[in-house]
Amino acid sequence: DVKVTQSSRYLVKRTGEKVFLECVQDMDHENMFWYRQDPGLGLRLIYFSYDVKMKEKGDIPEGYSVSREKKERFSLILESASTNQTSMYLCASSEGANTGELFFGEGSRLTVL
Amino acid sequence: RKEVEQDPGPFNVPEGATVAFNCTYSNSASQSFFWYRQDCRKEPKLLMSVYSSGNEDGRFTAQLNRASQYISLLIRDSKLSDSATYLCVVILNSGGYQKVTFGTGTKLQVIP
Repeated sequence: DVKVTQSSRYLVKRTGEKVFLECVQDMDHENMFWYRQDPGLGLRLIYFSYDVKMKEKGDIPEGYSVSREKKERFSLILESASTNQTSMYLCASSEGANTGELFFGEGSRLTVL
Repeated sequence: RKEVEQDPGPFNVPEGATVAFNCTYSNSASQSFFWYRQDCRKEPKLLMSVYSSGNEDGRFTAQLNRASQYISLLIRDSKLSDSATYLCVVILNSGGYQKVTFGTGTKLQVIP
């Protein structure tokens, strides 16, 4: 079974702190994604990556950056957390250019105080 | 106009009922379509792909209408365990990578 693991299920941070959210997949998938999910807004794409060291902005990249130094790991970075970044963050991976099956991690619920 | 739109619901239906959800998309160049299911406080999981010819998986039928740019999901003989949020997903392949867009989801509550 494909496994996508997110490092933290729950985090509480203070405004201005730097936050790292880690995601690891074990199926050698090429594509990896970071979404945030908020009530009424659904899943919104923050960043995605289709290869090591490659990254593309999604729909809401402001306030975030990402890193993909290894194929299996895709990190989301909040340089200076703000209260409007309180959300559920979901990492996903998929196999290649023509597959629609995304495998999600269990999510990281971030609260910024 | 949103790229992918769904009626948020909730749809409250009795057990055994048939229920249908629609999802519209704005980019006519979109190429692949899927339905995902998300249980409360869980991650989304693939339910089924959607093909132009329509496809069925047990009590679930998915259809794509390219001319009108919508996809549909029909659930027959609803079970309590079908209660969840159903997300439509539209994929556009562009420049060698996928742009994956989720709808906001339609909540289904099946009641005894």
